[in-house]
Amino acid sequence: GENVEQHPSTLSVQEGDSAVIKCTYSDSASNYFPWYKQELGKRPQLIIDIRSNVGEKKDQRIAVTLNKTAKHFSLHITETQPEDSAVYFCAASSYSSASKIIFGSGTRLSIRP
Amino acid sequence: EAQVTQNPRYLITVTGKKLTVTCSQNMNHEYMSWYRQDPGLGLRQIYYSMNVEVTDKGDVPEGYKVSRKEKRNFPLILESPSPNQTSLYFCASRRAGGGTNEKLFFGSGTQLSVL
Repeated sequence: GENVEQHPSTLSVQEGDSAVIKCTYSDSASNYFPWYKQELGKRPQLIIDIRSNVGEKKDQRIAVTLNKTAKHFSLHITETQPEDSAVYFCAASSYSSASKIIFGSGTRLSIRP
Repeated sequence: EAQVTQNPRYLITVTGKKLTVTCSQNMNHEYMSWYRQDPGLGLRQIYYSMNVEVTDKGDVPEGYKVSRKEKRNFPLILESPSPNQTSLYFCASRRAGGGTNEKLFFGSGTQLSVL
């Protein structure tokens, strides 16, 4: 079955700098890759997703890149702000098994003032 | 307001005492799922349901039961809770159909402690 590995587990960056979180997946059939943000004490919420027919997607300060050959995808946050502090989860699923979405173990991002 | 509602928010119980965590969504979503969140392990799927009366096991179903008698409700049942089921639980729902993946809407979570 699918396995998603996420790195790093914790990340601390200076406010204004960029943050990058990386994930790898094992199932070549996976073709949908969402990212969820979970603020302290809150529920996870979708912030961006990418499908396998594109290599990159941007939404203001966040972007996701996908390398299907290498089976890895990354979340990029530029010009980080205090409100970016949260736990971020990557995930992977395939259309053929849309019921199963496998999450990474999470990255705790801290923004230093 | 579109939402997934979970209750209770916090629950402390003792080993072996049956409990139910309720989950309800008002978005007419076909798909509903339960996850548990543990430090360093991310979100692991317990059970999911593609529609009324259709349920299936996720990755960690042992010790849990679910039912889907109505489209909006998907309760999680722990018949005989044990301390290793102490965790943060999330219910989630999304549209299903067409073979596509859609955004998951999560409930606010239930922090369960089994003593």
